[in-house]
Amino acid sequence: GDSVTQMEGPVTLSEEAFLTINCTYTATGYPSLFWYVQYPGEGLQLLLKATKADDKGSNKGFEATYRKETTSFHLEKGSVQVSDSAVYFCALRANQFYFGTGTSLTVIP
Amino acid sequence: DTGVSQNPRHKITKRGQNVTFRCDPISEHNRLYWYRQTLGQGPEFLTYFQNEAQLEKSRLLSDRFSAERPKGSFSTLEIQRTEQGDSAMYLCASSFPTDTEAFFGQGTRLTVV
Repeated sequence: GDSVTQMEGPVTLSEEAFLTINCTYTATGYPSLFWYVQYPGEGLQLLLKATKADDKGSNKGFEATYRKETTSFHLEKGSVQVSDSAVYFCALRANQFYFGTGTSLTVIP
Repeated sequence: DTGVSQNPRHKITKRGQNVTFRCDPISEHNRLYWYRQTLGQGPEFLTYFQNEAQLEKSRLLSDRFSAERPKGSFSTLEIQRTEQGDSAMYLCASSFPTDTEAFFGQGTRLTVV
């Protein structure tokens, strides 16, 4: 069945460090892929998405590229800020949305 | 439209009681989803509707859970005879039918004591 495997956390980085959160998926066909973010005390918000192979989603300095050959959608940011501290979820869309377990990111000044 | 709205935001109930949650989706969206999230985990699928039709329900979902979307607009999720293991955040989301993202509400936090 369809599923998402996400890098385990928590992750702690210093401000301005480079961030990578790994995500791989299993699916029939070519689903749309998403990264959602959940800030403390808030609901899930879409961070970025990609709907077909080789698409790059980007938003707020974050990027992820839909890699069909490696079934991956890794999240990257070149320079994290304290305000990026949150939980990040990788997801794919079939009929429903399948989510990874989430990666907690803490950025320290 | 201000987004997906869920009520109540918090619910504390005694074990064995029934509870009902409401979700008002974004008006143009014909798909509506219910998820459950526990601490440290990702959202777990419960069920989804397209308009008023319930198209899929998780096989792991107890018969104590039922959901409705009578006119294809708002939806309710009922849990009968609540158990302590039902304590979680219940999330509602809505979307267009294909390819696009889901928009989530703030959730209803259920505590069963």
